[in-house]
Amino acid sequence: QVQLQESGPGLVKPSGTLSLTCGVSGGSIITTYWWTWVRQPPGKGLEWVGEIHHSGSTNSNPSLKSRVTVSVDKSKNQISLRLTSVTAADTAVYYCARVGKAVVSDYYYYMDVWGLGTTVIVSS
Amino acid sequence: EIVLTQSPATLVLSPGERATLSCRASQSVSNYLAWYQQKPGQAPRLLIYDASNRATGIPARFSGSGSGTDFTLTISSLEPEDFAVYYCQQRDNWALWTFGQGTKVEIK
Repeated sequence: QVQLQESGPGLVKPSGTLSLTCGVSGGSIITTYWWTWVRQPPGKGLEWVGEIHHSGSTNSNPSLKSRVTVSVDKSKNQISLRLTSVTAADTAVYYCARVGKAVVSDYYYYMDVWGLGTTVIVSS
Repeated sequence: EIVLTQSPATLVLSPGERATLSCRASQSVSNYLAWYQQKPGQAPRLLIYDASNRATGIPARFSGSGSGTDFTLTISSLEPEDFAVYYCQQRDNWALWTFGQGTKVEIK
């Protein structure tokens, strides 16, 4: 069964760049699935960050769009997240997840497999 | 942007009781709605997709219903491990994903 594992620095300085990777095991990233990033600030709810398909197609949250880059490395079977110009508001647990498909259509819209998450603190 | 509003914010119940959680969308999402459970320190877990389909391994006491703008997650008889936060979620036309603000189910 597919498993996801996030990794990256736990501490990033303000105005710096947050870089995370999500390794996919138990299956190939080269499938019809999309792969996505979600974050959760301390004590708050869930916020979608961005997503990618192995073809290279991406979408990202308009509120973050100019700062977010989601990429895929097919040779390593992993996806990556890059968030620039970070502030304390970017402090959160970052999760990667696989995007599942509706039963009766090709609409990919929910997250059926999640990583454990990785905590990123933005602080000097 | 489609806004999802969950109610109540907190539900205080005893084990064995029935829990009814609501999620209302600001415009129709058809049946493209999912529910997640999150326990402290853990990642969310998919419970329901397509408004009423249970995900793999989810117990039958969890059920979802609704379409359009009004959705319900029902836990027929609360088990101790069901006390958690529950989120609904949708995706707007292959673009923006949004989550509800969550409903916390607490032990009375």
